[in-house]
Amino acid sequence: GESVGLHLPTLSVQEGDNSIINCAYSNSASDYFIWYKQESGKGPQFIIDIRSNMDKRQGQRVTVLLNKTVKHLSLQIAATQPGDSAVYFCAENPDNTDKLIFGTGTRLQVFP
Amino acid sequence: DTGVSQDPRHKITKRGQNVTFRCDPISEHNRLYWYRQTLGQGPEFLTYFQNEAQLEKSRLLSDRFSAERPKGSFSTLEIQRTEQGDSAMYLCASSLAASGTVRVFGPGTRLTVL
Repeated sequence: GESVGLHLPTLSVQEGDNSIINCAYSNSASDYFIWYKQESGKGPQFIIDIRSNMDKRQGQRVTVLLNKTVKHLSLQIAATQPGDSAVYFCAENPDNTDKLIFGTGTRLQVFP
Repeated sequence: DTGVSQDPRHKITKRGQNVTFRCDPISEHNRLYWYRQTLGQGPEFLTYFQNEAQLEKSRLLSDRFSAERPKGSFSTLEIQRTEQGDSAMYLCASSLAASGTVRVFGPGTRLTVL
């Protein structure tokens, strides 16, 4: 299948450890943010989202943190598993448009 | 309805040929988006529809590209006179109306122009 993100920043973690993936977004007018996971040969898969009126949101094993002051978004994955290995993208939605703008992805590699 | 589907999954064509891709969104979603993704990059927005109306087009969408959603359900993306630079993954996504909602992506159509 297609290999996504051949030259992307890579985060390598041991199975069971926590992972933190960071993203800097560009538009201070963005009011909605999404994290997607993309496995090789597949389309992006929704993980978690957050609106600009929040600074933290938790899902199952995942937490998203939003710092609007420095335009920074992070995704925390607890107890990382081999199935979490993929490329992760953050995406922002400026409030004056209906398109998502994707950031540079990060490849997460989980080793035993 | 199990999600967004796209057809074909892979397309190989010769430079100068026309190609057409189809996207079937989640049935209750009235917004449909097309994105393009090249190797090592995040998806780039091309265009989107609300029902049958095409509301926004990216500058990336040259005049060789046309998208339609005639009945407000499935959509087609046509590329005329393909060029090698058109080689990419073409992704379709759908969502409920209004910004600030999750876009659900399909598996994509991988286009290779020889």
